[in-house]
Amino acid sequence: EAEVAQSPRYKITEKSQAVAFWCDPISGHATLYWYRQILGQGPELLVQFQDESVVDDSQLPKDRFSAERLKGVDSTLKIQPAELGDSAMYLCATREQGTSPLHFGNGTRLTVT
Amino acid sequence: QQQVKQSPQSLIVQKGGISIINCAYENTAFDYFPWYQQFPGKGPALLIAIRPDVSEKKEGRFTISFNKSAKQFSLHIMDSQPGDSATYFCAAARADTGRRALTFGSGTRLQVQP
Repeated sequence: EAEVAQSPRYKITEKSQAVAFWCDPISGHATLYWYRQILGQGPELLVQFQDESVVDDSQLPKDRFSAERLKGVDSTLKIQPAELGDSAMYLCATREQGTSPLHFGNGTRLTVT
Repeated sequence: QQQVKQSPQSLIVQKGGISIINCAYENTAFDYFPWYQQFPGKGPALLIAIRPDVSEKKEGRFTISFNKSAKQFSLHIMDSQPGDSATYFCAAARADTGRRALTFGSGTRLQVQP
């Protein structure tokens, strides 16, 4: 079964450093989401792409976070500079279209020290 | 603003028992209600989902009950097994914005004791 691939699985970085996460969606999945999941809580939407276009980035802290999906396939989420409160699991999720099921990757666990 | 409220926060059930997790939502524009299962170190995986035009949906040991007037829905796990021990999230999505991003509840950690 096809999976959403994310890397790295774990990332430890110091406060004020830059960090980046990568997501490779299931082939043919046009809609891509980045979620942040703080330990013990539900995932919270950061940004949504439809193909290469940003559909919703209203919850993305744009002073330090950026996301791109240049060719409408894989996507990168960047944090610069990282803060202690950014420690969380960053999840990528994709769907083929509209109301089709949402598939999550296994996430990147970020620890900021 | 927490748009989807989930309870309980944690649940311990004996093997063979029934696990029940409840969710309530505020936004009447929500029209899709999935449940996700998450194991430690893994991403959430879709378990079962319902739309508000039906009051119940069953898939194997998992059943969603939906009460549109009360704006509540629940997950029932029949004959709970130790392998069901995981964190469960309810979620909701709205169609009117065309974006269909999921809003998640805070999660229920289920432990099924042998």
